[in-house]
Amino acid sequence: AQSVSQHNHHVILSEAASLELGCNYSYGGTVNLFWYVQYPGQHLQLLLKYFSGDPLVKGIKGFEAEFIKSKFSFNLRKPSVQWSDTAEYFCAVNPASNYQLIWGAGTKLIIKP
Amino acid sequence: GAGVSQTPSNKVTEKGKYVELRCDPISGHTALYWYRQSLGQGPEFLIYFQGTGAADDSGLPNDRFFAVRPEGSVSTLKIQRTERGDSAVYLCASSLGQGEDTEAFFGQGTRLTVV
Repeated sequence: AQSVSQHNHHVILSEAASLELGCNYSYGGTVNLFWYVQYPGQHLQLLLKYFSGDPLVKGIKGFEAEFIKSKFSFNLRKPSVQWSDTAEYFCAVNPASNYQLIWGAGTKLIIKP
Repeated sequence: GAGVSQTPSNKVTEKGKYVELRCDPISGHTALYWYRQSLGQGPEFLIYFQGTGAADDSGLPNDRFFAVRPEGSVSTLKIQRTERGDSAVYLCASSLGQGEDTEAFFGQGTRLTVV
């Protein structure tokens, strides 16, 4: 079965630290890839997405992600985090032949001021 | 409204009762999705509508769950004979369509608690 794995369930960082959240998926075909963020008390919002082209995609709020096809990975990065980045981050995969989003379990990120 | 609206935001019901959860998608979005999110997990797909028809209901866990979208806009998720295991946040999302328009916009969710 198709699945998405997020390696860390909880991450705690200090402000200005660099961030990398891992995401791996199991699906051999063409995929569309997404990172969503859920700030405390708010709904899920799209951070960035990859459909095709440059495997390094830039999203909102200084986030970026790199699609490495050979590793089935789509890791999220940010060079310098802020306290306002405290949120839960979800990686999601959409097999191109499908319309469902298959989600990872999420990573809770806490930024210490 | 500007976003996806879900009502109620919270629902507490007794085991065995019937509940309806409502989703008002973004105007003009033809695709509508229901997901269920249990504590500590990512959302799980339940059902997808394209227009009025359920294009894929393979995620509905059993026949106690049913969803409709009679006019291609508002959708209602219906759960009969609720069980404690149905407790979760039920998320609705809408999008313009497929392909590059697949970006799904989510509502705040309905937190269902079955006691």
